[in-house]
Amino acid sequence: DADVTQTPRNRITKTGKRIMLECSQTKGHDRMYWYRQDPGLGLQLIYYSFDVKDINKGEISDGYSVSRQAQAKFSLSLESAIPNQTALYFCATSVRRGAFYEQFFGPGTRLTVL
Amino acid sequence: RKEVEQDPGPFNVPEGATVAFNCTYSNSASQSFFWYRQDCRKEPKLLMSVYSSGNEDGRFTAQLNRASQYISLLIRDSKLSDSATYLCVVSPSGYSTLTFGKGTMLLVSP
Repeated sequence: DADVTQTPRNRITKTGKRIMLECSQTKGHDRMYWYRQDPGLGLQLIYYSFDVKDINKGEISDGYSVSRQAQAKFSLSLESAIPNQTALYFCATSVRRGAFYEQFFGPGTRLTVL
Repeated sequence: RKEVEQDPGPFNVPEGATVAFNCTYSNSASQSFFWYRQDCRKEPKLLMSVYSSGNEDGRFTAQLNRASQYISLLIRDSKLSDSATYLCVVSPSGYSTLTFGKGTMLLVSP
């Protein structure tokens, strides 16, 4: 399975600060994703990338940007953090399993914006 | 109508019980279906894919009803370790992004 790591694991910041969340994977998967999860809500897709030159907006991309520095690295930035961006953020990769892609998630980054 | 709807629960069951969860989806073009499991404050992990003919993995059985656009998960002989949130997930094709339901919480008690 993909080894997906996220840094930092926890972060507390203030409104207006720029924040970068980093994601790395060691299994050579081309596809990478960023999600956020709010209490009682499902995972919502922020951005995704199918290869190094491909970046796509998800359903809630406003206020976020991403960078795919290499196949193994996909970073999420909050240019000017606001309190409603407080959430649990997951990075994921995916690999083809026959007719579908299985996604593997990192351990998550808990972000609090004060 | 939300794309993927699930009863949030919690479902409280004793060990050994059989429990079933349902999920409905709104996009009739959905082609791939999954159940993911998420433990408290942890990352989701794939539990099983759901095939049109239904499929079983040990104590877990998944069914798909395309006509009614619902997916089910049956857990037999519940274990304490089955306590988690179960996420219903659909995809319009096998190669695109996933849409997650909010999850159904299961609590198995001794």
